[in-house]
Amino acid sequence: GESVGLHLPTLSVQEGDNSIINCAYSNSASDYFIWYKQESGKGPQFIIDIRSNMDKRQGQRVTVLLNKTVKHLSLQIAATQPGDSAVYFCAEKSGANSKLTFGKGITLSVRP
Amino acid sequence: DAGITQSPRHKVTETGTPVTLRCHQTENHRYMYWYRQDPGHGLRLIHYSYGVKDTDKGEVSDGYSVSRSKTEDFLLTLESATSSQTSVYFCAIRDGQGVLGYTFGSGTRLTVV
Repeated sequence: GESVGLHLPTLSVQEGDNSIINCAYSNSASDYFIWYKQESGKGPQFIIDIRSNMDKRQGQRVTVLLNKTVKHLSLQIAATQPGDSAVYFCAEKSGANSKLTFGKGITLSVRP
Repeated sequence: DAGITQSPRHKVTETGTPVTLRCHQTENHRYMYWYRQDPGHGLRLIHYSYGVKDTDKGEVSDGYSVSRSKTEDFLLTLESATSSQTSVYFCAIRDGQGVLGYTFGSGTRLTVV
């Protein structure tokens, strides 16, 4: 697989703590949002999604929060584990044919 | 990655040469996408396809062309490679993870020297 040595903001958390990864999106007309995780050497992997008519959605150990007023999306990871270390991207659906536009990504580093 | 493969995985080519990257899916999905990933830019859409012979441009389409002659294959061609096209290229299929989520291939690292 492949990855890119991205010069990204980094969030460092202690193993077992909760992580909050934030994303500001650009298009107030976007109606669907996704969080992706990209591990070193791999393509991005789907984590969780949310429609714009919701403000919160929970998955297994992850929660996505959407604040449309300020165009802000966050991903909360409970009890962060070493395997959560990766680059995280938010994406928004915009335009015709349901194309996704991706944010630049944030690196999550988990300290043992 | 389930149902989607990219080839080649790595390629080094010279400036001015044509290069074709292949994306193959086994699940008959209608939508396919080509992205490039570069430091500081994240993932940017090059071209996408919404069916056989139906393609459209993304935000960074200059210097690239695509073809989709059958559902399972989506080809990305650099007609005359330039150093600015050195990147990691990802193909994706819209397979409905979640509602409209994509599954990505493992990527192709292309170096133009």
